[in-house]
Amino acid sequence: ETGVTQSPTHLIKTRGQQVTLRCSSQSGHNTVSWYQQALGQGPQFIFQYYREEENGRGNFPPRFSGLQFPNYSSELNVNALELDDSALYLCASSLAGTHRSYEQYFGPGTRLTVT
Amino acid sequence: AQRVTQPEKLLSVFKGAPVELKCNYSYSGSPELFWYVQYSRQRLQLLLRHISRESIKGFTADLNKGETSFHLKKPFAQEEDSAMYYCALNSGSARQLTFGSGTQLTVLP
Repeated sequence: ETGVTQSPTHLIKTRGQQVTLRCSSQSGHNTVSWYQQALGQGPQFIFQYYREEENGRGNFPPRFSGLQFPNYSSELNVNALELDDSALYLCASSLAGTHRSYEQYFGPGTRLTVT
Repeated sequence: AQRVTQPEKLLSVFKGAPVELKCNYSYSGSPELFWYVQYSRQRLQLLLRHISRESIKGFTADLNKGETSFHLKKPFAQEEDSAMYYCALNSGSARQLTFGSGTQLTVLP
């Protein structure tokens, strides 16, 4: 069983730039959720994708967007980066439609620094 | 709007002592609550879920709807329990998790 993987591990961007973060879900999982974790805070829900459609969104502006691919991997895109976007971005996968759909498996995260 | 509060950022106890990590929530619906744990250099992982009412690694948590609390307890702390603990509330059809800010537990020898 392959766990959730994320790439890159960390990156540095300049304010105003755009960034794409990637996530491969755990083998067999069909749902991917993205979270932003600022320093000293708990993870904050950005959005979730199920069957390539957005299936719920947190309180984040439209410049945060995502995609899910047929193999259930996912991308998080952030446009017009702001300094406050500096955070650890976590991806979590789960298997919807089963008795264990509540259990989310987290990746190691991507550390984004915006200067 | 849903909210999860963990009032203690840091908590230190001695090995063998009881430990309680506090969690309070605010949610208008029927809550589904979890505790997640992150050990040093490891990823965030599910510790336990209130519906299962099971004990994991000696930890238990009881949902108290009257006090809107879901405190995590262990009668005898071990050094390997040292970690960051997050209380989380499941809300919405998307099963989006609302996390508290976390409590860093240190178990001293």
